[in-house]
Amino acid sequence: EPEVTQTPSHQVTQMGQEVILRCVPISNHLYFYWYRQILGQKVEFLVSFYNNEISEKSEIFDDQFSVERPDGSNFTLKIRSTKLEDSAMYFCASRTTYTDTQYFGPGTRLTVL
Amino acid sequence: GENVEQHPSTLSVQEGDSAVIKCTYSDSASNYFPWYKQELGKRPQLIIDIRSNVGEKKDQRIAVTLNKTAKHFSLHITETQPEDSAVYFCAASFVEYGNKLVFGAGTILRVKS
Repeated sequence: EPEVTQTPSHQVTQMGQEVILRCVPISNHLYFYWYRQILGQKVEFLVSFYNNEISEKSEIFDDQFSVERPDGSNFTLKIRSTKLEDSAMYFCASRTTYTDTQYFGPGTRLTVL
Repeated sequence: GENVEQHPSTLSVQEGDSAVIKCTYSDSASNYFPWYKQELGKRPQLIIDIRSNVGEKKDQRIAVTLNKTAKHFSLHITETQPEDSAVYFCAASFVEYGNKLVFGAGTILRVKS
């Protein structure tokens, strides 16, 4: 069964550094999402992406964040200048146009020191 | 903004007993309600979902009920087994507008054998 994949599984970075988190959605999916989960807390929506543009973003998704679909398979989340409070698990999700179900990737644990 | 409240935060049951987790949502436009199971360190996995045109849905030992008037929905697990132990998240979304998921805070379910 196809799955959403994410790399790396764990990223450690220094405060102020840029990080890029990568996701490969399921191949026939056209809607893409990023969520984050701070340790022990709920999953929070960051951004949704469809047809090569952002369709919705949350208050968390400020100017430090950006998303891109650089080719036909990857979907990336960039944090330009990381802060301590960006430490969290970041999940990518995708879905088709035919169902409402979002399939989640395994996550990237980002640790900002 | 949209909000989903989930109760209880922790639930311990004996193996074989039933477990019920309840959620309420604030946005009356929400029309899609998935439940995700998340084991420690793993991705959220969809276990069951319901759309607002249906009052109840069942899949083997798992069922979900929806009360649109009261804006609440519940997860019912019967004949619980130790492998049901996990964190369960409810979520709500408005499918016709981006379909972002708004999650509840999660319920830690422990099934004691």
